[in-house]
Amino acid sequence: DTAVSQTPKYLVTQMGNDKSIKCEQNLGHDTMYWYKQDSKKFLKIMFSYNNKELIINETVPNRFSPKSPDKAHLNLHINSLELGDSAVYFCASSQAQADTQYFGPGTRLTVL
Amino acid sequence: GDSVTQMEGPVTLSEEAFLTINCTYTATGYPSLFWYVQYPGEGLQLLLKATKADDKGSNKGFEATYRKETTSFHLEKGSVQVSDSAVYFCALGNNQGGKLIFGQGTELSVKP
Repeated sequence: DTAVSQTPKYLVTQMGNDKSIKCEQNLGHDTMYWYKQDSKKFLKIMFSYNNKELIINETVPNRFSPKSPDKAHLNLHINSLELGDSAVYFCASSQAQADTQYFGPGTRLTVL
Repeated sequence: GDSVTQMEGPVTLSEEAFLTINCTYTATGYPSLFWYVQYPGEGLQLLLKATKADDKGSNKGFEATYRKETTSFHLEKGSVQVSDSAVYFCALGNNQGGKLIFGQGTELSVKP
């Protein structure tokens, strides 16, 4: 059973389009996160949610909008995609804040 | 703000060599410290962690000790294998919403 899953694994799209990435965890965790990994493999937090409530919004452009329909899901919607949005996006979850985080396999987004 | 600094890679070793990847941190309070590993094309996996000073985390032959006096959490393995080739990330977790702050990653390549 996959603990943290993301779809799609690869996403290739044109500048200006709107796209979504979905994340689901079956670990029963309360907290979920989105991280961005750039081309140099540097990882940075974007958002975190605890029990469907936004906890962290790390100065991400408002073109990025996370949505948590329930504790097990945290989706990421991106409007008006730009070239600089090309990256690998990782979802993660933890039982509580500051606990060990478990990562999904990542979604590689390429904006042309 | 809090930060993590890792030794730069790539690091290339022969099989059975000794591995050290240096990691130092700057943090207020008492963070938890983690090492994550990313194999090619995959997400991040927790390798080991330590939650307080002088704790030693260990897993799969890897070890790291939380040194508050030197603000370090160096990763070591006595005898590396080709299968250890991956990117290794040092990270700290604070109580600010549970976000992980990552070092820049160190790529390890082990040759037979």
